[in-house]
Amino acid sequence: KAGVTQTPRYLIKTRGQQVTLSCSPISGHRSVSWYQQTPGQGLQFLFEYFSETQRNKGNFPGRFSGRQFSNSRSEMNVSTLELGDSALYLCASSLEMDGHYEQYFGPGTRLTVT
Amino acid sequence: GESVGLHLPTLSVQEGDNSIINCAYSNSASDYFIWYKQESGKGPQFIIDIRSNMDKRQGQRVTVLLNKTVKHLSLQIAATQPGDSAVYFCAENQFRGKLIFGQGTELSVKP
Repeated sequence: KAGVTQTPRYLIKTRGQQVTLSCSPISGHRSVSWYQQTPGQGLQFLFEYFSETQRNKGNFPGRFSGRQFSNSRSEMNVSTLELGDSALYLCASSLEMDGHYEQYFGPGTRLTVT
Repeated sequence: GESVGLHLPTLSVQEGDNSIINCAYSNSASDYFIWYKQESGKGPQFIIDIRSNMDKRQGQRVTVLLNKTVKHLSLQIAATQPGDSAVYFCAENQFRGKLIFGQGTELSVKP
């Protein structure tokens, strides 16, 4: 079974631009979560989507948004990029088992904002 | 200004020794915990999980211990190998698909 895939793997953007990242979950997984990883803050939860609905949200500004499609693929968007948005963005898909979420991560998208 | 990086705890062990990585969690209501391994340039890799109704769970060369009284988790790796060198994170499942991660521990295995 194929793992979680994320595209693109690397991205360089300029401050003020916007960016869209894509995530394809493991087949059969309906929950997709997004995380930001930085040296300063570690791994932080952004949001979770399940059946095309945002079900959980972390403490990030409204510039960070996402969506999920009917095939469970998900995208996240960051508008008006800031230098501090430079990070590794990770997507994880979940197989819910008895109410517990075993999350599997993709390789991430490395975003650099200049 | 420039962000100050997290100073990850580090653990250095000799190949063949056992490793113990510790983690404290924050929410006494959390009922599911996962250990992840992250190698340089890769996403976190699932190692082992444990539910709050258990104190111990064993996998292949790994054991997770959960102490709910003091909100503490540990990951034990038996016969540590150079390929085990990585950053290890514990994560608590607070609600549905939301994981809260610890700061991580960098494991270095000396041949």
